[in-house]
Amino acid sequence: ELKVEQNPLFLSMQEGKNYTIYCNYSTTSDRLYWYRQDPGKSLESLFVLLSNGAVKQEGRLMASLDTKARLSTLHITAAVHDLSATYFCAVNRRIISGSARQLTFGSGTQLTVLP
Amino acid sequence: DSGVTQTPKHLITATGQRVTLRCSPRSGDLSVYWYQQSLDQGLQFLIQYYNGEERAKGNILERFSAQQFPDLHSELNLSSLELGDSALYFCASSVGRKGGLNGYTFGSGTRLTVV
Repeated sequence: ELKVEQNPLFLSMQEGKNYTIYCNYSTTSDRLYWYRQDPGKSLESLFVLLSNGAVKQEGRLMASLDTKARLSTLHITAAVHDLSATYFCAVNRRIISGSARQLTFGSGTQLTVLP
Repeated sequence: DSGVTQTPKHLITATGQRVTLRCSPRSGDLSVYWYQQSLDQGLQFLIQYYNGEERAKGNILERFSAQQFPDLHSELNLSSLELGDSALYFCASSVGRKGGLNGYTFGSGTRLTVV
């Protein structure tokens, strides 16, 4: 069974600081996604990482994927209050050979950026 | 607006009752996925349909069922409701059947409260 672990689960940081959220997963996969969720809202797609070594950046967020280590990181640079939200990583893997894929989510990291 | 439409947004019902949640995928997407989000279980995959056919099942209870219609909209039926079924139910869509090379697009969710 695929397990996806995020850490930390809760993160409070000061504006202007940098930090990294980690996402570890237990079985081989070459597709990883990062989502943002504001309280009571939908999941907004941030990054789609499809290969080993993939790195994507959007504004103050940068995501990377190391499939050999089964690790993805979401790096936050110079945090601002608007980044406060819950961030989820999700791993996509085949559940039946040659057939469907299933998206398994981590527990989420609740980020609070303090002024 | 993500392009994935879910109705209703909120639903309050009593234990033992049956409800139907509806999802219209983004235009051009053939796959529909249902997820349940609760505080204790996190985001759990329930079921996937592709072009009218069931493709994958996750942690879906026997009291729950779903279908995808010829116009590609999907309905999730929840019966014999229990207090523990209270959760946010998300629908997501993607173009293909094997997973989102371009990611998955989530709807705004239906918040179900069972009293």
